[in-house]
Amino acid sequence: EVQLVESGGGLVQPGGSLRLSCEVSGVTVSSNYMTWVRQAPGKGLEWVSVIYSDGYTYNVDSVKGRFTLSRDNSKNTLYLQMKSLRVEDTAVYYCARYIAVANSALGYMDVWGKGTTVTVSS
Amino acid sequence: IVMTQSPDSLAVSLGERATINCKSSQSVLYSSNSKNYLAWYQQKAGQPPKLLIYWASTRESGVPDRFSGSGSGTDFTLTISSLQAEDVAVYYCQHYYSTPVTFGQGTKVEVK
Repeated sequence: EVQLVESGGGLVQPGGSLRLSCEVSGVTVSSNYMTWVRQAPGKGLEWVSVIYSDGYTYNVDSVKGRFTLSRDNSKNTLYLQMKSLRVEDTAVYYCARYIAVANSALGYMDVWGKGTTVTVSS
Repeated sequence: IVMTQSPDSLAVSLGERATINCKSSQSVLYSSNSKNYLAWYQQKAGQPPKLLIYWASTRESGVPDRFSGSGSGTDFTLTISSLQAEDVAVYYCQHYYSTPVTFGQGTKVEVK
């Protein structure tokens, strides 16, 4: 059974940094595409970033240059390093396995973690 | 691509049919493989989303067969054939035709 457990959320001031972690069990993170999706309070879902099995990453425009997705294969863990945080980054951040189409950034999410909450506020 | 769902919310009696619509601002039908790049998710209160449907009409393993997806091109429908109490949730459509993949705003389903 695939399980994803996020951690690292918290309260941070605007302009600050935070690193989210996603511990993966049941599958090898390096063999899968993995992604982060966020949900602002009371709002819908927003796709943030994806890492390919070969290590290539893609970020949506709103986080480009500020968020970096990486993984530690030895720990089977995914990371989302967030810097220059803005109030509008406040959200629950979900880690998910990404079922990619034809080795591309296109796909859907078949397994989700429970999420970790990031609050950006002064 | 902008995904627009309708209605924003609906209340259905237990055992009755619930229908949720999703419209994309451009076609998500890929002509080379005749597949619609569309998924549906269910999110219950306080829980993460759960994949229900992908390729517009393929049910994820373990999803009850009262859930079905249909449509092609720009217009899609998620149907719950006989609403159960445990189906109360917000439902989202998502395209994966191009980057960025985007979601609809969600449709809240309640029991009447």
